[in-house]
Amino acid sequence: GAVVSQHPSWVICKSGTSVKIECRSLDFQATTMFWYRQFPKQSLMLMATSNEGSKATYEQGVEKDKFLINHASLTLSTLTVTSAHPEDSSFYICSARDLRGPPQETQYFGPGTRLLVL
Amino acid sequence: GQNIDQPTEMTATEGAIVQINCTYQTSGFNGLFWYQQHAGEAPTFLSYNVLDGLEEKGRFSSFLSRSKGYSYLLLKELQMKDSASYLCAVMDSNYQLIWGAGTKLIIKP
Repeated sequence: GAVVSQHPSWVICKSGTSVKIECRSLDFQATTMFWYRQFPKQSLMLMATSNEGSKATYEQGVEKDKFLINHASLTLSTLTVTSAHPEDSSFYICSARDLRGPPQETQYFGPGTRLLVL
Repeated sequence: GQNIDQPTEMTATEGAIVQINCTYQTSGFNGLFWYQQHAGEAPTFLSYNVLDGLEEKGRFSSFLSRSKGYSYLLLKELQMKDSASYLCAVMDSNYQLIWGAGTKLIIKP
């Protein structure tokens, strides 16, 4: 159990375009999902917490108008990178919080999405 | 502020044992997690400790001392595939995960 999928796994796009990344919990319902970004050889950086049916909570320094998050159902959260620029190129990883346990509150990660903006 | 400390890098030999330490200072405590992350991949869940003591799971064990704000991950009978980064994360009083920067473990033959 506790499988999280992420789509697409790879995206190459032109500067100025928007990119949507989907995160799904496949065998459990997740009221809370998380979006992380990771640059090469650096640690995970939490971008935002996605809550089903309400607005996402963004970490300091993360532009909410640039990184749009929608958590419309208990199994799906989407991250849209709007007007992407080369500096947005990174590894984007989502996780979903599984309340079933044990242990409860464990975050399970999707496989990640590599974004390359040309 | 909240802080998680773990060594940046460690090297060990195939077949040996290695201990990766993690110390933390957080606002509240609702458990400590260890994750493994291979290069270019997402983290995978390894272990969870919320009470003091040792949790054993196959070749991997995790220890917690809440009074000392300390945990370690013990890896036995090291295999080349264990080369990865190991992330320590603490869940604070708001059930938010505070992440360490990770320890890169290099296994040599």
